[in-house]
Amino acid sequence: SYVLIQPPSVSVAPGQTARITCGGNNIGSKSVHWYQQKPGQAPVLVVYDDRDRPSGIPERFSGSNSGNTATLTISRVEAGDEADYYCQVWHTSSVVFGGGTKLTVL
Amino acid sequence: HVQLVESGGGVVQPGRSLRLSCAASGFTFTNYGMHWVRQAPGKGLEWVALIWYDGTNRYYAASVKGRFTISRDNSKNTLSLQMNSLRADDTAVYYCARQDCASTSCFSYWGQGTLVTVSS
Repeated sequence: SYVLIQPPSVSVAPGQTARITCGGNNIGSKSVHWYQQKPGQAPVLVVYDDRDRPSGIPERFSGSNSGNTATLTISRVEAGDEADYYCQVWHTSSVVFGGGTKLTVL
Repeated sequence: HVQLVESGGGVVQPGRSLRLSCAASGFTFTNYGMHWVRQAPGKGLEWVALIWYDGTNRYYAASVKGRFTISRDNSKNTLSLQMNSLRADDTAVYYCARQDCASTSCFSYWGQGTLVTVSS
């Protein structure tokens, strides 16, 4: 089965840039999606197909994907960005999620 | 606007069955594949099952295959998940989600979730 590896936690000061990685075997050949989930809420799609943003998602959220690592970048981090973030791919007729990364805004 | 509303969760004993439903509105239900995704308390997201837009194909996570059955009623815009032989590790919030992003399967819309607790 395909495995996606995320760091359990990332911390960043307000106004700085947060980078959350998602590692997988040759993940650069797949399309990666990213979700933000706040406590008690359903996940929200923030980046799809590696780097596209749904309407309503700030430009501060961006994505990249190459080789064995995909990255979600959040620029000018705000307190409201504190949440869990999950990467996700489609692999041989199944959906795979990463383990999730807790973003803490210091 | 798109709405997905799950129902049917509750407390059930190990080995028993439960059926979840997801009522869809605000979009053409018959045009979209639909998924179930779950999240155990304090844990990450886990994909459960997929059913194609027309119901002709269904796929399951290894952890539920043979015990859970996903189905849909396109005349009623409803998605279902029949869960049999439930185990303690099936305890989770269950979300239904609409499949978007064509062949790469992202989820633009999620329900609010319904909690299933498997306990004696």
